[in-house]
Amino acid sequence: LAKTTQPISMDSYEGQEVNITCSHNNIATNDYITWYQQFPSQGPRFIIQGYKTKVTNEVASLFIPADRKSSTLSLPRVSLSDTAVYYCLVAPFSGGYNKLIFGAGTRLAVHP
Amino acid sequence: DAGVTQSPTHLIKTRGQHVTLRCSPISGHKSVSWYQQVLGQGPQFIFQYYEKEERGRGNFPDRFSARQFPNYSSELNVNALLLGDSALYLCASSQDAGTAQETQYFGPGTRLLVL
Repeated sequence: LAKTTQPISMDSYEGQEVNITCSHNNIATNDYITWYQQFPSQGPRFIIQGYKTKVTNEVASLFIPADRKSSTLSLPRVSLSDTAVYYCLVAPFSGGYNKLIFGAGTRLAVHP
Repeated sequence: DAGVTQSPTHLIKTRGQHVTLRCSPISGHKSVSWYQQVLGQGPQFIFQYYEKEERGRGNFPDRFSARQFPNYSSELNVNALLLGDSALYLCASSQDAGTAQETQYFGPGTRLLVL
């Protein structure tokens, strides 16, 4: 199982772009990178998933370099409501959710 | 459309008691997974069920059990509760059993406190 490493916490201000980097050095060929967001007392919410290069949706962008040993979640122009814990996961092609490991995540605090 | 629903929202039990937590998946979703989230940590996988059959089990003792019903709803049972079982219990549904690459949709969780 590919282990991920991400910063424990980050601080930002409203309107700034936030980039959270995750390292996954032993990612396998068919693994995908998936990010979830969790607000206090709520379940995690899927944000974005990608395999290589760049993926963008209405919420975020995900940048994955060619070697795929790291990835960066980019949140454009954050607001106070983006204060949450962000989890980076490596999702293997084979096996079920028992192969999906949530770490401690990155606690993002957005300040006025 | 309604999301994943869980009941109860909060629960207080004493050591040694038994608890049953319930989950209703998103309509059309056939897979349900259960997670335990201790304060300050990420969710930890407990079980996955698909079409009433267990598809995966995490590293939890036999005191933890689950089942899925014909309407795809699910129950998580925990026997002989310990103080360390105090946590947020999350249920997630997905369309198929698929792989871990399939998106999961989480419910709000049941907050269990064991005294």
